Amino acid sequence: EIVLTQSPGTLSLSPGERATLSCRASQTVSITYLAWYQQKVGQAPRLLIYDASIRATGVPDRFSVSGSGPDFSLTISRVEPEDSAVYYCHQYGSSPFTFGQGTKLEIK
Amino acid sequence: QLQLQESGPGLVKPSETLSLTCTVSGDSISSRSHYWDWIRQPPGKGLEWVGYIYYTGSTYYNPSLKNRVTISVDTSKNQFSLKLSSVNAADTAVYYCARQLGLQSNKRALDIWGQGTMVVVSS
Repeated sequence: EIVLTQSPGTLSLSPGERATLSCRASQTVSITYLAWYQQKVGQAPRLLIYDASIRATGVPDRFSVSGSGPDFSLTISRVEPEDSAVYYCHQYGSSPFTFGQGTKLEIK
Repeated sequence: QLQLQESGPGLVKPSETLSLTCTVSGDSISSRSHYWDWIRQPPGKGLEWVGYIYYTGSTYYNPSLKNRVTISVDTSKNQFSLKLSSVNAADTAVYYCARQLGLQSNKRALDIWGQGTMVVVSS
């Protein structure tokens, strides 16, 4: 099983700042098989980006991903108050599929 | 508009079987284009992938749950279901059903999620 470790646990930023969220895989994973989700309080996760760089419908271009196995990053170029959420990375290249433990993004 | 809706008991006794159903509207489970998944999230914790099913009935389960989990599909009702046997307190979680975007290996992210249903295991 591929373990995904996300860091930091919590990130606190002011509006307009740049957010970088990390995801490290315990085994080789291609960025092609990595997705990122946003989960706001009381809501289901929402797919943000998959297949290396494809943004899901409605996701602003402030969100981008980079990296190659084992280290990946989700970058929010200029955070906004509505970006306050927990972000999860997810690998679907090797069964069983797995998720990281999440990074909480707080907007000051 | 595609929607997934989970349903089932919110309280299950220890050692009994948890049963949930996901009803799909706005798309056909038999469309041959997607796998259909269950994911769970214990209170205050992260996401755990449970397993998936294809409309043919082909399944894959998380090995950590494999001996206790069964996912089935009813194409006539456009539903798929989850059964988890011998539950204990550690199975208390919000259970989500979701759709994989596509069958290709690079498209298997989860693009549509149900709202989730909370299941508490307690006597």
